[in-house]
Amino acid sequence: GNSVTQMEGPVTLSEEAFLTINCTYTATGYPSLFWYVQYPGEGLQLLLKATKADDKGSNKGFEATYRKETTSFHLEKGSVQVSDSAVYFCALTATGGTSYGKLTFGQGTILTVHP
Amino acid sequence: SAVISQKPSRDICQRGTSLTIQCQVDSQVTMMFWYRQQPGQSLTLIATANQGSEATYESGFVIDKFPISRPNLTFSTLTVSNMSPEDSSIYLCSAGLAGGYNEQFFGPGTRLTVL
Repeated sequence: GNSVTQMEGPVTLSEEAFLTINCTYTATGYPSLFWYVQYPGEGLQLLLKATKADDKGSNKGFEATYRKETTSFHLEKGSVQVSDSAVYFCALTATGGTSYGKLTFGQGTILTVHP
Repeated sequence: SAVISQKPSRDICQRGTSLTIQCQVDSQVTMMFWYRQQPGQSLTLIATANQGSEATYESGFVIDKFPISRPNLTFSTLTVSNMSPEDSSIYLCSAGLAGGYNEQFFGPGTRLTVL
């Protein structure tokens, strides 16, 4: 079946530091890949997405590139802010078969940014 | 995109009772899902809410415990039945258009505590 593995956290950084959160996946076919963010006490918001190999998703300074050869979708940001403190989830949806449209989530990575 | 609201936002319930959570989408969507997020954990798919027919449950979830209705394209309910403290979680509704390329939009979640 499909699965998503994120780097273990939590991650603690100082403001303006570089961020990388690793994400790898296992899926049949050609999944779509997503990063969602959950701020404290809130639901999930879509941060960015990529639907095919070599696509780069970007939003709010965050970027991730769909790497089919390494089955990865690592999240990066060049300079984090305190307001980026949240839980980040990598996820995929299958584009066919019995798992069509269903999201499979990684375990989540807690990011804390200090001033 | 779609805006999703959930009611109630939180509740504290006694064991053995049931709670029904409502999910309303501001536009017609094809797919609606219910997820559970246990404390400090990732999201687990409970079921796909199918319009006008029985929901499709994931392994480990059964209709008697989590009955779901979806009478139209914009509304769904999830009932947590005969609750125990182990049911204390955040329950999230999501919705998306047909096609695995499209992201799912999430409601703010219902934070349930069972005493």
